[in-house]
Order: sequence, then structure tokens, then C-alpha cells
Amino acid sequence: GESVGLHLPTLSVQEGDNSIINCAYSNSASDYFIWYKQESGKGPQFIIDIRSNMDKRQGQRVTVLLNKTVKHLSLQIAATQPGDSAVYFCVGIGSARQLTFGSGTQLTVLP
Amino acid sequence: EAGVVQSPRYKIIEKKQPVAFWCNPISGHNTLYWYRQNLGQGPELLIRYENEEAVDDSQLPKDRFSAERLKGVDSTLKIQPAELGDSAVYLCASSPASGGEQFFGPGTRLTVL
Repeated sequence: GESVGLHLPTLSVQEGDNSIINCAYSNSASDYFIWYKQESGKGPQFIIDIRSNMDKRQGQRVTVLLNKTVKHLSLQIAATQPGDSAVYFCVGIGSARQLTFGSGTQLTVLP
Repeated sequence: EAGVVQSPRYKIIEKKQPVAFWCNPISGHNTLYWYRQNLGQGPELLIRYENEEAVDDSQLPKDRFSAERLKGVDSTLKIQPAELGDSAVYLCASSPASGGEQFFGPGTRLTVL
């Protein structure tokens, strides 16, 4: 399966600032990546996905960048809000269609 | 539309006791997943069902864990007997088809004393 990891286990940002969460992956055969958000006491929630034939995808306040050369993903959150405080997971999906989660990054939004 | 429902939300038991978790997936979702999430880690797949068939149970510790999805709708995950190391959150997810977007339930937090 995919092996994914995150550069930093925790990230603190001021409310209103932009957040960038980074992720490295090892399996170049992954053809699909997903970012999940998990709030305390809840299950993971889909945020945005990107296919390996793309290098950028935008959603509402979120952008995912994919750099296949260095096997790196990032999630950018614009104008970070208190409700964005959560653990974020990047997930790679290969041919087996199985999700492999890393340990996540805890994002804390400071007032 | 109702999401994935799990019960109970919390369970505290003593070691060596049995425990069972229940999951009702989103209506119409054929694929159902059970994950275990240890503190500070991401979820790890235990078993995946396509309708009533377990198509991937390679990560399920079969000596003490069992699961069923008899009618291809709701599912039960059982541990017997529970060990201290089984303390974790057990998540259920469902998707319309295998490989599709997975929708997670809130999980059951198990504490084994």
C-alpha cells in the first residue's frame, strides 16, 4: 500500500493567516490523493482530492498542490478560521484502492 | 441524508471481556469498512466488505476479532476477549462502490481496563 508521512506533527497559525500542511509519499504508483480533516471526537471528513495527472486543484478556501518529481503534496488553507482546527491526513490510493493514512498534522488556530 | 451511524459511542470494559460495535452505513452504499485508530495515529483498515462478502480482512487479528455483515447492510465488529492494547477508536466507513469516496462515522471509543 501507499506509505505517506507528514513533515510536522503540529502546526499553529493565527486566525486569518494562511496555513500550509505538507505531506511526502513514497509510492509513485499512487494515482489519487485525498486530504481528510478529523475534528476531535469525529471521524475523518473528505476535504479535497487530486489525481496524479494534475498538479493543482482548488476548492473553497483550500488548494492542494502535487509535485510528483519530489513526491510531495501540500494543503493550503486560506484565511484560516477557528473551525479549521483539526488533524489533517493526506492519503494516497493505488491500484488496490486502499486508503493508507499517515499520522496526521494537528492544526491549531490561535485567536 | 443520514450519515454513517455507529453505536455505542463509548465503551469501557475490563480486559478479557467481550465487546461488540455496530455500524449502519449510508443507505445504498455497498462497501463497508472497519478501521482502528490508535491515539495520535491515522486509521488503519481492519476489514472491507463488498455487500455481505469480506473481500479484504488481511489486517484483522482473527484470533480475537470477528466481523459480520449478514444482509449486506449493517455490520458488527466483535472482540473476544479484549486486551489492554485494544483500546482505540473503532471507525466504520462506507462508500457507494469500492474505491469511491469513503464516508466515516463518528467512531466508538473503546477503553480496556
